[in-house]
Amino acid sequence: QVQLVETGGGVVQPGRSLRLSCAASGFTFSRHGMHWVRQAPGKGLEWVAVIWYDGNNEDYADSVKGRFSISRDNSKNTLYLQMNSLRAEDTAVYYCARKGLRSFDAFDIWGQGTRVTVSS
Amino acid sequence: DIQMTQSPSTLSASVGDRVTITCRASQSINDWVAWYQQKPGKAPKLLIYKASTLESGVPSRFGGSGSGTQFTLTISSLQPDDFGTYYCQQYNSYYSFGQGTKLEIK
Repeated sequence: QVQLVETGGGVVQPGRSLRLSCAASGFTFSRHGMHWVRQAPGKGLEWVAVIWYDGNNEDYADSVKGRFSISRDNSKNTLYLQMNSLRAEDTAVYYCARKGLRSFDAFDIWGQGTRVTVSS
Repeated sequence: DIQMTQSPSTLSASVGDRVTITCRASQSINDWVAWYQQKPGKAPKLLIYKASTLESGVPSRFGGSGSGTQFTLTISSLQPDDFGTYYCQQYNSYYSFGQGTKLEIK
């Protein structure tokens, strides 16, 4: 079935780096743009980054621009989020989400999330 | 940046009630609005896209309306499984979410 599975979360010290992965299955990954969305503990949803279906364009929320980098490997059906210079305020559950084709770009499939805690 | 303001923040209703959640955009976003339901500890689930189109598999008691800056999610007859937090999202210019409406079943 259509599925997204995130991995790579954990506890990291401020200023350090972490890379998240999102493995896609059950659909043609290379046809879809992909997003990262995060949710701080007890808070709402915050869009983080998007990458086009072919990897040729990307964009970021101001809160992570210059520190985070989104990428993808269509041969491996995998999306990545490289997070550098991490801060306490980056603590959140990170979700990958698919840009829907039928849904006019709404986020139609979500992973289960991976938790990132930035703490000394 | 486009701000999305949802109301109410919390809502308590009984099974069978008609429930309405409102979302206001800080500028016109045409009909580029989606609605999501999130249950505790789970990922969000797409309910409505393009302001009023029901996602496949979503019960027909869910409905969306609006355009420009005012949008509404309506549940015509509340069911026990409808508890959770509901988010509106604009995807007209970048992406932003409302702050959420927590729906509790009385």
